[in-house]
Amino acid sequence: KAGVTQTPRYLIKTRGQQVTLSCSPISGHRSVSWYQQTPGQGLQFLFEYFSETQRNKGNFPGRFSGRQFSNSRSEMNVSTLELGDSALYLCASSTPPRQGLNEQFFGPGTRLTVL
Amino acid sequence: TQLLEQSPQFLSIQEGENLTVYCNSSSVFSSLQWYRQEPGEGPVLLVTVVTGGEVKKLKRLTFQFGDARKDSSLHITAAQTGDTGLYLCAGILNTGGFKTIFGAGTRLFVKA
Repeated sequence: KAGVTQTPRYLIKTRGQQVTLSCSPISGHRSVSWYQQTPGQGLQFLFEYFSETQRNKGNFPGRFSGRQFSNSRSEMNVSTLELGDSALYLCASSTPPRQGLNEQFFGPGTRLTVL
Repeated sequence: TQLLEQSPQFLSIQEGENLTVYCNSSSVFSSLQWYRQEPGEGPVLLVTVVTGGEVKKLKRLTFQFGDARKDSSLHITAAQTGDTGLYLCAGILNTGGFKTIFGAGTRLFVKA
């Protein structure tokens, strides 16, 4: 079974530009979550999608948005990039929780550098 | 705001030594997970603890969930160089959907 894939793996953008990152979950997984990881803030939750609907959202500005397609693939978009958006963006997929357990499987991430 | 405080942030020890990493919060979690992350990769789940007071062992790793489900610890016995990595705790909140709060991580370096 293939793992979670994220594209691109590396990206360099300049301030003010916008970027779209893609995530393909493990086959059969319908929930996709996005996280931002920086040395200073650690892993911070961006949002979670399930069956094309945003089910949970973290405390990020509206410049960060996402969507999920009918095949469970997900994209996140960051508009008007700022230097502070430089980070590793991680996507995680999970099956419907069983007995309260939500086990997430992470992709390798997209390393975004904003110059 | 839900916070999960993880300590220590950095740990450098000799091979064969024992260590403990702690995660504490004022929030009650439905479950708590521990992950390990290698450079250039995403975190990999090590264990999920669900019941207050639960203890789980994974070879030389022992995970404990606090009775009140607000804190957890990871103990590694006789550390090996292969244990080097970033260890993350994650508290799971059931808010209709599942929201995961991560600790800041403990960067462990085990010297030969």
